[in-house]
Amino acid sequence: DTEVTQTPKHLVMGMTNKKSLKCEQHMGHRAMYWYKQKAKKPPELMFVYSYEKLSINESVPSRFSPECPNSSLLNLHLHALQPEDSALYLCASSQDRTVSYEQYFGPGTRLTVT
Amino acid sequence: GNSVTQMEGPVTLSEEAFLTINCTYTATGYPSLFWYVQYPGEGLQLLLKATKADDKGSNKGFEATYRKETTSFHLEKGSVQVSDSAVYFCALSDAWDYGGSQGNLIFGKGTKLSVKP
Repeated sequence: DTEVTQTPKHLVMGMTNKKSLKCEQHMGHRAMYWYKQKAKKPPELMFVYSYEKLSINESVPSRFSPECPNSSLLNLHLHALQPEDSALYLCASSQDRTVSYEQYFGPGTRLTVT
Repeated sequence: GNSVTQMEGPVTLSEEAFLTINCTYTATGYPSLFWYVQYPGEGLQLLLKATKADDKGSNKGFEATYRKETTSFHLEKGSVQVSDSAVYFCALSDAWDYGGSQGNLIFGKGTKLSVKP
């Protein structure tokens, strides 16, 4: 099974709201990733967790806050977002980030900030 | 640094036509190479991969060969179908990039393929 699940599928939030995106994998992978994808663009890496520790934060604004409660779960907490943050947010996982293993992506959460 | 360049679309083909999407890369180490496909409204799906020179990845009629001498990983399919309409991303991952990005995916800009009946 190479499935990564994400909830919710769609999210509409106001600029003063707080919401969370969730991601789950049961492949025993030890690296998990958050990406942001704007229309007609490739995914942009936001965060990388390796063995449940944050290892890369690609200069993402603090209104995005990642959390890795355990090896299977990854959350992205959202607060005080801006309309330009509207995008498709993708979660991915790989066996280990120190080896060039393939990443498996979830279906994404389509976020709209009003 | 590492980078991926792929032909920009859109590419429009008739059903049963031959498909080639060009992809070249620059890498300091020994990268693995991937093709991902993204159907409308969905996430990325791994289509195929190759981990060393001369490897051929294949899946669902698509093929790509890792050519170290030309630093290329072109995607081909002999007979496309309407259901192949999607955006295709070429990507590399290099575990030996001492710039700190080891294991991260470096994507090309994507090529949109439209197949007409």
